[in-house]
Amino acid sequence: RKEVEQDPGPFNVPEGATVAFNCTYSNSASQSFFWYRQDCRKEPKLLMSVYSSGNEDGRFTAQLNRASQYISLLIRDSKLSDSATYLCVVNERGRGSTLGRLYFGRGTQLTVWP
Amino acid sequence: ETGVTQTPRHLVMGMTNKKSLKCEQHLGHNAMYWYKQSAKKPLELMFVYNFKEQTENNSVPSRFSPECPNSSHLFLHLHTLQPEDSALYLCASSPRQGGGYTFGSGTRLTVV
Repeated sequence: RKEVEQDPGPFNVPEGATVAFNCTYSNSASQSFFWYRQDCRKEPKLLMSVYSSGNEDGRFTAQLNRASQYISLLIRDSKLSDSATYLCVVNERGRGSTLGRLYFGRGTQLTVWP
Repeated sequence: ETGVTQTPRHLVMGMTNKKSLKCEQHLGHNAMYWYKQSAKKPLELMFVYNFKEQTENNSVPSRFSPECPNSSHLFLHLHTLQPEDSALYLCASSPRQGGGYTFGSGTRLTVV
């Protein structure tokens, strides 16, 4: 059972395009949700948290559907610098532990071309 | 510089060698983590330390031995590794276990 599933892509889009990534998670008790960005041969960095009401940060919009256990990330007006791997991340209580832990999806690769 | 420093950045070691990876954070975080990232696979959690006590060992082989002398430092001691252990090893910290992570730049390990 995979806790977090993502389409690995790759997604290849032209500059200015709108692109959407989806992610599903298996544990309905998951508590918080994030999108991380990882550039080639670099460490993951937090892009944005995902809230139940949906949230926007500039060209990026994240949405959460708890009933369907589904998270999305929408990127509008893609830039060349958006090329990276986008990781869906879910925080749930660890098995046998009262403390939380993060589960990472395998990531969706995006390439934006001029 | 992310606030979490990992050394070395690159490491090549033989299967009979013993080496250690080091992670240091001065963000005042209380939780520290070791993750393994292999090609085409999701990040795999290896160990979690909360207030320098180990709270999770994700069925990691004993050839990987973590050490957390204080809340700011985390080590991963390596011995008799296998070629399939070659990967990017990432350290992360968070204010509390399960909170927002800050990752180090990672150590790219090659076992020959």
